[in-house]
Amino acid sequence: QPVVTQEPSFSVSPGGTVTLTCGWSSGSVSTGDYPSWYQQTPGQAPRTLIYFTNTRSSGVPDRFSGSILGNKAALTITGAQADDESDYYCLLYVGSGFWAFGGGTKLTVL
Amino acid sequence: QLQLVQSGAEVKKPGASVMVSCKASGDTFTDYFIHWVRQAPGQGLEWMAWISPNTGGTNYAQKFQGRVAVTRDMSISTAYMELSGLKSDDTAIYYCARHLTTKHSFDIWGQGTMVTVAS
Repeated sequence: QPVVTQEPSFSVSPGGTVTLTCGWSSGSVSTGDYPSWYQQTPGQAPRTLIYFTNTRSSGVPDRFSGSILGNKAALTITGAQADDESDYYCLLYVGSGFWAFGGGTKLTVL
Repeated sequence: QLQLVQSGAEVKKPGASVMVSCKASGDTFTDYFIHWVRQAPGQGLEWMAWISPNTGGTNYAQKFQGRVAVTRDMSISTAYMELSGLKSDDTAIYYCARHLTTKHSFDIWGQGTMVTVAS
């Protein structure tokens, strides 16, 4: 089964911009893989940020945006805030009814 | 607004089975899929399976095939995930989540159920 890849960790300064990526172990991510992004803080269930590649979920601040960059899905945070410090996961549709999460990116804001 | 409420924490011995429930309230139980996702301590999210409450159709990640079964009881709007042959590395939080085909994302999550496997 294909593996979904994410950067294990990333750091950003408050007010800065960071782009997290999500790719296949081989091949390119497309909109047909229905990339979505989730934010998880310790002890909490994941929260949906982005679905359908670039649609923000209800209540998600517009500093979060999704896109396809090159051969990967991307989550960009523009104007990072302290409470954006979280784990971020992408989810891709493998096909034939199978789904796969990436390993997650731990984002530090400092 | 849909809410998914899961059953409480479980402690099981190796080799045993565990069943986790996920009760839906606030919306029709038939208009979406219910997925099961787990998270071992300090680890990432892992997709396990889904069920269509409407049809009863299911699909399982290859890793869990033969060991997991997801079912539903329409009369009480509840989905179940049973994992058998438990091992210590099945210790994890198990989540159910709603998947709307109009969004192709897991937009509503249960609170999670901690399953501990220990002798």
